[in-house]
Amino acid sequence: AQSVAQPEDQVNVAEGNPLTVKCTYSVSGNPYLFWYVQYPNRGLQFLLKYITGDNLVKGSYGFEAEFNKSQTSFHLKKPSALVSDSALYFCAVSLEGGNTPLVFGKGTRLSVIA
Amino acid sequence: DSGVTQTPKHLITATGQRVTLRCSPRSGDLSVYWYQQSLDQGLQFLIQYYNGEERAKGNILERFSAQQFPDLHSELNLSSLELGDSALYFCASSPHPSGYNEQFFGPGTRLTVL
Repeated sequence: AQSVAQPEDQVNVAEGNPLTVKCTYSVSGNPYLFWYVQYPNRGLQFLLKYITGDNLVKGSYGFEAEFNKSQTSFHLKKPSALVSDSALYFCAVSLEGGNTPLVFGKGTRLSVIA
Repeated sequence: DSGVTQTPKHLITATGQRVTLRCSPRSGDLSVYWYQQSLDQGLQFLIQYYNGEERAKGNILERFSAQQFPDLHSELNLSSLELGDSALYFCASSPHPSGYNEQFFGPGTRLTVL
């Protein structure tokens, strides 16, 4: 069964600094990897995904993520954080070739301080 | 706005009662997913439907049931409610059930069981 770990419950970063939200996964097979963001009292919004190809994936709002197969990681990054990026971020994984539902990590709360 | 609608937004009920949550997927999406989000359990996949048929089942209790109707809207029925069922319930949709499709989430229904 697949699983996702987000080792940090909370990440604090100063506005304008680069940010990283960490995600590692465990699957038997080739993964499909996703990042979602949840703002207060809202549903989850899709940010980006890795399916195949280039390991660096670019997504919405200036976010990007790098797929690292050897480290089974898919960390979310942004070169310059904004206060408006403050939200709850979820990493999720499903499996290639199957009808496997998304498995989400516990989420990481990002706080960008002005 | 994801295009997925959920009603009601809030629901307050008593233990032992039964409620129905409703979801309308994005136009053209055939697959519907239900999730439960609670503070202690995180985001848990409950069940998936595709074009009216159940496709995958997750951590859904026997007291819970769901269906997808011919017009593709879906309902999640929760019965014999317990205090621990208090949570945010999300519906999501995607064009197909394949694992590489991102899912689009509705705003959620907040259920409070007193």
